[in-house]
Amino acid sequence: QTVVTQEPSFSVSPGGTVTLTCGLSSGSVTTNFHPSWYQQTPGQAPRTLIYSTKTRFSGVPDRFSGSMLGNKAALTITGAQADDEADYYCVLYMGNGMMFGGGTRLTVL
Amino acid sequence: EVQLVESGGGLVQPGGSLRLSCAASGFTFSNYWMHWVRQVPGKGLVWVSRINSDGSSTNYADSVTGRFTISRDNAKNTLYLQMNSLRAEDTAVYYCTRSVQWTTIAAHWGQGSPVTVSS
Repeated sequence: QTVVTQEPSFSVSPGGTVTLTCGLSSGSVTTNFHPSWYQQTPGQAPRTLIYSTKTRFSGVPDRFSGSMLGNKAALTITGAQADDEADYYCVLYMGNGMMFGGGTRLTVL
Repeated sequence: EVQLVESGGGLVQPGGSLRLSCAASGFTFSNYWMHWVRQVPGKGLVWVSRINSDGSSTNYADSVTGRFTISRDNAKNTLYLQMNSLRAEDTAVYYCTRSVQWTTIAAHWGQGSPVTVSS
């Protein structure tokens, strides 16, 4: 069974840049999957950051950006801030539903 | 402002049933695809089900097919998830989400409704 893959954890220094990726255990991610990204902090509902590869959701700062990186989708945070410390989930939209990755826990230190 | 408010969660015994509701406001409910997504505490997000704008098309994750039913009442601006034959592994927070217009992409999220299946 194909699964969506993400780095389990990542760390970045304040002010630094980090790129998280979203792949498939079998095959390549393409824009046809409309890869999207969500941020979740402890005890809160997820928040939409990026949808359809690179469209920034309403109110999301422009230091969050989405792109394709080879055969994966990518989320880049430029100028990381302390409150960017969170779990980040990507999702791929398949024919009859959608599939989330396992999430990346981002630490800012 | 888009608002999604889930209700109906709680404690239920294995094999029991529960119906979740999601009251929508701040937008024309009948124009949007809606989803249910769940999350076991401390674990990742898992898609459960989706329904198109007029309720004529539905899809389910394999893990809930045949047990859960998604529906909507566009006159009441409310989304539902009927959950039958509940199992311990259905224990999770259930989120209602609204799509981006003209797409199935989940964008707006409710605060979630916790469901616990335990004897």
